[in-house]
This record gives sequence, C-alpha cells and structure tokens, in this order.
Amino acid sequence: SQELEQSPQSLIVQEGKNLTINCTSSKTLYGLYWYKQKYGEGLIFLMMLQKGGEEKSHEKITAKLDEKKQQSSLHITASQPSHAGIYLCGADTQGGSEKLVFGKGTKLTVNP
Amino acid sequence: GAGVSQSPSNKVTEKGKDVELRCDPISGHTALYWYRQSLGQGLEFLIYFQGNSAPDKSGLPSDRFSAERTGGSVSTLTIQRTQQEDSAVYLCASSPSWAARSYEQYFGPGTRLTVT
Repeated sequence: SQELEQSPQSLIVQEGKNLTINCTSSKTLYGLYWYKQKYGEGLIFLMMLQKGGEEKSHEKITAKLDEKKQQSSLHITASQPSHAGIYLCGADTQGGSEKLVFGKGTKLTVNP
Repeated sequence: GAGVSQSPSNKVTEKGKDVELRCDPISGHTALYWYRQSLGQGLEFLIYFQGNSAPDKSGLPSDRFSAERTGGSVSTLTIQRTQQEDSAVYLCASSPSWAARSYEQYFGPGTRLTVT
C-alpha cells in the first residue's frame, strides 16, 4: 500500500485560480517535504515542515502540516503557467530516518 | 557545477545488458541517495550512503542492482542483466550531514533508462 497518498492525481486550472494539493498518511509525518518536478528535470525543493500546525509560505505557495502530523496541504494562490509541473510530497515516516517515502505526485496544468 | 549532476541523461539498452549510471553530488554533501521513478509511480528509494558508514541497501529491488560510492563523492549505480521492468528514471540526491538534522535533499536531473 502507498504510505503517502496525494490528491488529486492531476489538476487543470485556469490562470489566476487558487488550488490545493493534499498529501495524507496513516503514519506520523516526522518531516514533510514538498518538491516540484518538471519533465526532464530533477526535483526542486519547495518547503519542509516538521511541527504539527506548522505553515510556511514562499511567494504564492503555502504549505501546511496539520496538528496530528498526518496530512499536509500545498496551496497555490493566483496560479500562473510557471506553476505547472508535478508536485511531490515526501516524508520521513519512521522518525529520524534518512529514507523518505514519496507520494505518486500531482500533475498541475495551468491554462493561460 | 553547483548542483547534483547525473550521466548519462538518457540510456537505451538491450535486455540482458549491464548499465552504469553515474551521480556527482554537491561538493561537501556527505549523504547520497538513489531513487527510481517509474511511470505513474512515486519515487522509490533504492540505496543510501552516509559518509563512511555501510550503505543502506534495503530498497534495492534485486541482486542485479548494486551501487558504489568512491572517495565519499561520486556514486555509480549498476544494473546487471537489465530487464524491461527496469525502465525508469533513476534519480540521485545528496544532502548535508545528517548530524545537522538537515533532511533537505537536492536532486539531480535523473537518468532515463529504457530497456528494449
């Protein structure tokens, strides 16, 4: 079974719209990482969350980790074509482990 | 370069052949990881190197897969007797010392392996 479930699998939005991507686990997320991947490129680190209730923002992207540390959301405000790509969440579900598990990703398309 | 580099970027090989994939981590990073990303799947952990410690090979899918890290820097992932199910993008990542509790992993662009 997949340790990290991402939803939706794909998302198509109109430029300027807001959107949310979710990452859920049945296990405690000791460290939660959001990455963005474009075709033919490696993963680009976006944000890391560790504390329950933590929220971080960078430009128009906000990531949150719930109090129970089992769910994280990534919210993009006023989406732009440059936001298009695959968003992956990765997590340490063992506590202090270097081995991250990843979700299958959410493919985001932003239409101009 | 400043980032993680991988070579080749693309590799097409015939079933049964051996392949070697190379990763150059960021200078000074003591931790190095290999992942595999298959179509429609998330990243699958393969192997992890940390300094001079024995590598964590728990993610290697079969004994056809092996990896080395020479001099604490460059790493080579070798797949022997390749099978079609080995076709995937192989990603390498590095990170600063675990002792600093910094888990941010910096990824390379990947090697797309196609086994025909």
